[in-house]
Amino acid sequence: GQSLEQPSEVTAVEGAIVQINCTYQTSGFYGLSWYQQHDGGAPTFLSYNALDGLEETGRFSSFLSRSDSYGYLLLQELQMKDSASYFCAVRDGRADKLIFGTGTRLQVFP
Amino acid sequence: DAGVIQSPRHEVTEMGQEVTLRCKPISGHNSLFWYRQTMMRGLELLIYFNNNVPIDDSGMPEDRFSAKMPNASFSTLKIQPSEPRDSAVYFCASSSVGAAFFGQGTRLTVV
Repeated sequence: GQSLEQPSEVTAVEGAIVQINCTYQTSGFYGLSWYQQHDGGAPTFLSYNALDGLEETGRFSSFLSRSDSYGYLLLQELQMKDSASYFCAVRDGRADKLIFGTGTRLQVFP
Repeated sequence: DAGVIQSPRHEVTEMGQEVTLRCKPISGHNSLFWYRQTMMRGLELLIYFNNNVPIDDSGMPEDRFSAKMPNASFSTLKIQPSEPRDSAVYFCASSSVGAAFFGQGTRLTVV
């Protein structure tokens, strides 16, 4: 089966840098993606890694190491509006379905 | 493109009633997912379609739940009969490669 682990909660202050880790187990691996969800809203796509390495999109970066079954989302220059839940998700290569982790709640304080 | 469109946004129904949730995916996306989100269980994948064909419905909780995708631009999730424990937010998402895009969800309350 598939499973993903990520911390349940992270706190930080404005302007800081936060790293949210994700480890996964899957029978087949196609890619790791990250989503942001504000309270009452829908998950929105942030980034996708199919290959090892770092992908940068503005203040957000995502990293993948397939050999370690590990990835992380790096948020820089934190802003209050970044307070949200962040989910990692794996695309299972065999079934091609998208499975989500339990989410990390990020709280940014002034 | 308007994105993934779900209807209704909110649904309140009585236990035992039939509920139908609707989804219009993004044009050109060949994968469609139905998820259920609750505080206790997080985001659960219920069923997944590829090119309108159901590929994996192992997440469907029981026979009361059914889903169809009659064409590339429309899918439904039906609960019959509904029960209070079905109360949750139901999301539809569509995807081509890599990224999935979610609708705004249907908040279902069964009383």
